[in-house]
Amino acid sequence: QVQLQESGSGLIKPSQTLSLTCSVSGDSFSSGGYLWGWIRQPPGKALEWIGYISHTGNTYYNPALQSRVSISVGRSKNQFSLQLTSVTATDTAIYYCASANSIVTTVPYFDSWGQGTLVSVSS
Amino acid sequence: QSVLTQPPSVSGAPGQRVTISCTGSSSNIGADYDVHWYQQLPGTAPKVLIYGNSNRPSGVPDRFSGSKSGTSASLAITGLQAEDEADYYCQSYDFSLSGSVVFGGGTTVTVL
Repeated sequence: QVQLQESGSGLIKPSQTLSLTCSVSGDSFSSGGYLWGWIRQPPGKALEWIGYISHTGNTYYNPALQSRVSISVGRSKNQFSLQLTSVTATDTAIYYCASANSIVTTVPYFDSWGQGTLVSVSS
Repeated sequence: QSVLTQPPSVSGAPGQRVTISCTGSSSNIGADYDVHWYQQLPGTAPKVLIYGNSNRPSGVPDRFSGSKSGTSASLAITGLQAEDEADYYCQSYDFSLSGSVVFGGGTTVTVL
């Protein structure tokens, strides 16, 4: 099973840009049938989908965040990145990267997850 | 407020059967989009429990089962065990408002 690991800044100031990278183990990143996604979870709250990207660079974003979000394939092989601009305290959350299996279902499901990284927005 | 509604909490004694509902509408579950379920143990990342409404990934005990009907889906846990204490989330897709992957608000299962 693929393994994912998030990395990036854990504390950022309001109005700054959140930047995270997800490193994917193995050769599955370039495999068809998978999307590579970001999900976040504010402390004590529910999961929220941010978006995902295919290995060819096609992106799909949560409409509620679309104006501030960008997901891209990383410079290094097997990496993808998240940028969220103009952050506020409401963007404080654990951010997870995950692989989304789109092979056998009408809606992709997240079959492997990173451990998550807490990003706090505070001045 | 999620478009997929789950009860905030359910509880049961060891060995009992509990069910968690996930109620949607004609723009998501009712539009024949698949529903998936995740288990999140305290302090850990979510893990897929059921995909495609009723399929269990390898390694998931058959005590867990999923179903879907109309605009709702359900997760059942039979033979409840202490290790099942966790948060559970349903997930699907909603085509209204430009379309989006959506999660339910989550349900905390407590083993009495």
